[in-house]
Amino acid sequence: AAGVIQSPRHLIKEKRETATLKCYPIPRHDTVYWYQQGPGQDPQFLISFYEKMQSDKGSIPDRFSAQQFSDYHSELNMSSLELGDSALYFCASVPGPGHDTQYFGPGTRLTVL
Amino acid sequence: GENVEQHPSTLSVQEGDSAVIKCTYSDSASNYFPWYKQELGKRPQLIIDIRSNVGEKKDQRIAVTLNKTAKHFSLHITETQPEDSAVYFCAVEDRDDKIIFGKGTRLHILP
Repeated sequence: AAGVIQSPRHLIKEKRETATLKCYPIPRHDTVYWYQQGPGQDPQFLISFYEKMQSDKGSIPDRFSAQQFSDYHSELNMSSLELGDSALYFCASVPGPGHDTQYFGPGTRLTVL
Repeated sequence: GENVEQHPSTLSVQEGDSAVIKCTYSDSASNYFPWYKQELGKRPQLIIDIRSNVGEKKDQRIAVTLNKTAKHFSLHITETQPEDSAVYFCAVEDRDDKIIFGKGTRLHILP
């Protein structure tokens, strides 16, 4: 069965650079959630989209922005990267309203040097 | 907002024994409670979930119990095996449909 796809799987950037993370939800899933997981931490909700509109926002820095496109894939754009942005970034997809189970992608490991 | 507390942070059990992880939550409106298992560097994997209209759910060696009145739920793993070693997160879906995770429990299965 198709799963959530994230790219790239690994990304190394320098401080103050920009990064773009991509998430391709399971086909026919119209809702995407982004999470950030620091080393030894629990995943923290960043932002979510339903039907290409932002549905909720968590502890996402102003330096980060995200959007969902017409094909339901989502991109997380991160600018002015800081050392503290080094983390695993997961996206999860859900079939839509009324469905609880979130299906997580494999994650993107971002390292900021 | 929703607040999820998870205990213990670390748990070591002898292979074959049972492991219990407990969580509490704050928002009585929450009604979906998933548990995730995460191996190092991997994605959180849903292992079992329970909804508020059910008090207990079992899937082979894994069971979850929910006490809505007390706002706590627990994960029970019986006959533990080495491959059960991982970090386990309880979670609660808040009223805005986002998942709030507990801090995690690192489970070690001792040979």
